[in-house]
Formats: sequence, C-alpha cells, structure tokens
Amino acid sequence: GPKVLQIPSHQIIDMGQMVTLNCDPVSNHLYFYWYKQILGQQMEFLVNFYNGKVMEKSKLFKDQFSVERPDGSYFTLKIQPTALEDSAVYFCASSYRGNQAPLFGEGTRLSVL
Amino acid sequence: GDQVEQSPSALSLHEGTGSALRCNFTTTMRAVQWFRKNSRGSLINLFYLASGTKENGRLKSAFDSKERYSTLHIRDAQLEDSGTYFCAASNYNQGKLIFGQGTKLSIKP
Repeated sequence: GPKVLQIPSHQIIDMGQMVTLNCDPVSNHLYFYWYKQILGQQMEFLVNFYNGKVMEKSKLFKDQFSVERPDGSYFTLKIQPTALEDSAVYFCASSYRGNQAPLFGEGTRLSVL
Repeated sequence: GDQVEQSPSALSLHEGTGSALRCNFTTTMRAVQWFRKNSRGSLINLFYLASGTKENGRLKSAFDSKERYSTLHIRDAQLEDSGTYFCAASNYNQGKLIFGQGTKLSIKP
C-alpha cells in the first residue's frame, strides 16, 4: 500500500549545526504533519501544512524550525541551529483530507551532540 | 490544554485471553485513531473512528464523542500482538492529533 518515507532513518549532528529532515509523503496527499517524540515521552504535534502554508504550529515549533515543500517534492523540517533538546524521533505524516486518518512514516531519529 | 489520558500504561495477558485499553478525553473530540508501534518503531494504523464501533479480526474499537472516551478491545491475544498501543484524538478537521501516553502490551505463552 501507500507509504510515507522518511530519510534518513537516523541522523547525528553537532549542536549548533543545521539539519534537514526529509519526508516523502503519499503522492496525492495534501495535508502534511510533523510530530516529535522525545525518548520515554508522549508523541507531540509540531506543525501541519496545507496548500503551501503552515496551518497550525505548537509551542514546540520554535523559531529555529521551518517547514516547506518546494515544488511538490519532499516535505522538509529544517532546524537551524540545532540544540541538545532537539534530540528526538521526528515523525512525518500525510493525509488526503484534513478529516482523514493520516499515514505515518517510520520516523527519523535525530541525535544532537 | 486538551488532554488524552490512556490506561493502563502496561498490560500483561496470556495467549488466548483478552482485555481492553481505554482513552479518556478532557474535551469533545471529533475523531480517534488507534495505533500499534512495532519493534521497528513504525506506527501501524489500527482504526480511525469518527463515531460508533469498528472491528477488524480480533480487535474492536469504540468511540463515544459525547462521553469523551474510546476503547480498544483485544480478544484471543496472540504473541504477535505484543507492542505499544497508542490512541490519538483530534478535535477539528485540520488533523492535528493529540496522543495518549501509550499502553505497553505483553502477551505471554
């Protein structure tokens, strides 16, 4: 069936550097999401994105975070600069409609050293 | 803010038995989704409900928006059912999900 792919599965980066997490959503999906899960904690919503714009972002979506989907390619989450507390697994999800069950990727584990 | 309270946090069952997981919501939710996280960390979608009940094999889920809860029933548990189960609810149509804390389910022979 359709899948949301996240690349890479694990990324290790030094504090202060920039990182871009890539998500390849299902091809006809229109709504895109990022979630963050710190080890041992609940999964938490970061941001959703539709029609080229951020629809809603949580308090976890700091000024250092940005999202985009240039030319219908990857949906990306960029963190610049990274901080130690950004270490977490980031999950991307997509759906065709806003009131439809989103399909989740397998996550990217980000380790900030 | 809106909360999703999931219980129990851990559950151990013998093969062939069953039980139920529950999520309570502090506000009216529009829809609920149940997931199982497999050993690779992937979120496997089990159910999406806007109301009523759904059944799939040995799993059955119910959602009552007015009473602010959802349940996931497992019957005739098998070893491969082991894993962490999550509920997640949304309260409007833009799809933002609020996750429960998860239930770690262990099935024993």
